[in-house]
Amino acid sequence: DGGITQSPKYLFRKEGQNVTLSCEQNLNHDAMYWYRQDPGQGLRLIYYSQIVNDFQKGDIAEGYSVSREKKESFPLTVTSAQKNPTAFYLCASSRTASNTEAFFGQGTRLTVV
Amino acid sequence: DQQVKQNSPSLSVQEGRISILNCDYTNSMFDYFLWYKKYPAEGPTFLISISSIKDKNEDGRFTVFLNKSAKHLSLHIVPSQPGDSAVYFCAASGGSSNTGKLIFGQGTTLQVKP
Repeated sequence: DGGITQSPKYLFRKEGQNVTLSCEQNLNHDAMYWYRQDPGQGLRLIYYSQIVNDFQKGDIAEGYSVSREKKESFPLTVTSAQKNPTAFYLCASSRTASNTEAFFGQGTRLTVV
Repeated sequence: DQQVKQNSPSLSVQEGRISILNCDYTNSMFDYFLWYKKYPAEGPTFLISISSIKDKNEDGRFTVFLNKSAKHLSLHIVPSQPGDSAVYFCAASGGSSNTGKLIFGQGTTLQVKP
């Protein structure tokens, strides 16, 4: 089955620790994206990548880092510099970087304890 | 600056009636618009899209209307079913950068009552 897999579904982190969220797709899509969802604020773009070995900051990139070493993988690291990391994180991919619909993973709920 | 706005946080409709969800945008460079449906603790799923060269796109019970002069789009669901109860997001893309990144509205929670 083709799709996007995010893991883990739930993640707990202690304050001051970095944590990495996994996102893998087997759709052969060029572009991948990370969004964050907070109540009442919709989805906000953190980082995106149009092609392997390239990525760009989105609207709320501070406190996050990404890598795109392989076409199918786009991990997101939430660093200790992120002031409010507790949120629902969504990874998405699209066939190309221009005007095609994005397909989303099931999300990772990160809670800082 | 919110480029895509869904001004109604929630909507309640009786089963069998029409649901109309609205979305406004400010960036005239947007040229592709999408609607997504989302259940709690799950990722959004794509519903329907429309290019700026069209003013209507229909897929089964779902129809999206685009009014470029008003920078407004709407999603019509007819007839509404209880399984349609979810959060609906509109999204837009395009412009000079044309990176494909989607700008989302805040979402509207639709409740369809049996």
